[in-house]
Amino acid sequence: DTEVTQTPKHLVMGMTNKKSLKCEQHMGHRAMYWYKQKAKKPPELMFVYSYEKLSINESVPSRFSPECPNSSLLNLHLHALQPEDSALYLCASSQDRGLAAYNEQFFGPGTRLTVL
Amino acid sequence: RKEVEQDPGPFNVPEGATVAFNCTYSNSASQSFFWYRQDCRKEPKLLMSVYSSGNEDGRFTAQLNRASQYISLLIRDSKLSDSATYLCVVNKGRGGADGLTFGKGTHLIIQP
Repeated sequence: DTEVTQTPKHLVMGMTNKKSLKCEQHMGHRAMYWYKQKAKKPPELMFVYSYEKLSINESVPSRFSPECPNSSLLNLHLHALQPEDSALYLCASSQDRGLAAYNEQFFGPGTRLTVL
Repeated sequence: RKEVEQDPGPFNVPEGATVAFNCTYSNSASQSFFWYRQDCRKEPKLLMSVYSSGNEDGRFTAQLNRASQYISLLIRDSKLSDSATYLCVVNKGRGGADGLTFGKGTHLIIQP
């Protein structure tokens, strides 16, 4: 089973709202990722969690706050977003087998976020 | 130089033809290489990993040239269902689970 699930599928929020995106995998993967994809652009890495610890933050604004409650779950908390933050937010997971390994990433279907 | 460069296409190819895509990458620290496909408004799906010795999966063949920092994908006997955007992807070379850098993708249209 190579399934990563994400909820909600679609989200519309105002600039003063607080919302959360959720991601879940049951493949026993120990690395989880958040990517952002704007229309007609490739995905861009935001955060990496390895063994439930934040290992990489790609200089993402603090209005995006990730959380990894356990090895299967990944959340992205959103607060005071701007209209330009509207995008498809993709979660992915992979093994974490070390330096030179191929850690193939499997993506969820994404949450399509619109900020008004 | 862009981190991962691909010809955006579109490539319009008749069904049954062979089509080849190429990409180049700039980060010499990258150690793992992939092709993903992405259908319109869907998530990227892993098509295949690309190994130094070259590898094949059914109608798909991938090649890697580390010296030239060049990756290729060959699709034989193309099907209508192969129509998609093909993303050339490399890891960021920081070790372990370090995230991926995507090319902008090559748009493929298979015509009946």
